[in-house]
Amino acid sequence: DSGVTQTPKHLITATGQRVTLRCSPRSGDLSVYWYQQSLDQGLQFLIQYYNGEERAKGNILERFSAQQFPDLHSELNLSSLELGDSALYFCASSVEGGWHYGYTFGSGTRLTVV
Amino acid sequence: QQPVQSPQAVILREGEDAVINCSSSKALYSVHWYRQKHGEAPVFLMILLKGGEQKGHEKISASFNEKKQQSSLYLTASQLSYSGTYFCGTRHSGAGSYQLTFGKGTKLSVIP
Repeated sequence: DSGVTQTPKHLITATGQRVTLRCSPRSGDLSVYWYQQSLDQGLQFLIQYYNGEERAKGNILERFSAQQFPDLHSELNLSSLELGDSALYFCASSVEGGWHYGYTFGSGTRLTVV
Repeated sequence: QQPVQSPQAVILREGEDAVINCSSSKALYSVHWYRQKHGEAPVFLMILLKGGEQKGHEKISASFNEKKQQSSLYLTASQLSYSGTYFCGTRHSGAGSYQLTFGKGTKLSVIP
């Protein structure tokens, strides 16, 4: 157990639907990162939050949104889902902004869009 | 800018050594290395910072050449447990540098 908790582990949904992925960072970590992993693209950075505020944005689609709550847990919302959104979504956390320490990854949520 | 890793895949026999390279087209502030086993989350191995020293633990070490914008991961006397996909992640110097961008990975297979 890495200390980063992601729920649910698996999600199967239909095209056009909306889902919410949840992440609880490791105790004491202020930064949360979301990554998408598909077979041919590796780990694609989506978005970072630090202590409740958005810090950096990567290749996140407009149909996707995220937030970090006061208790530091984060949610990634995916809407108008398409087949191509099927992937493994990882959340990671780090002590500070990720400058001097590594990231701790959760076990991921496998999203299948049918 | 996604870093480029080489090789894409390598097969080793137990006890052999391997080097995985990671290069960037932009000036780097830091390089992270992670290992991911099939069906599992990536696990942090080490971070190398600009101006820092070569890092290592056990038989896995890494170097960071700031001028060449490259990092290399060295695996010596490989063990079966080293099998997995290795990713480097790079953070660039300068504005907008919060993002850690990962390479496509190097699949390492260690066989008996």
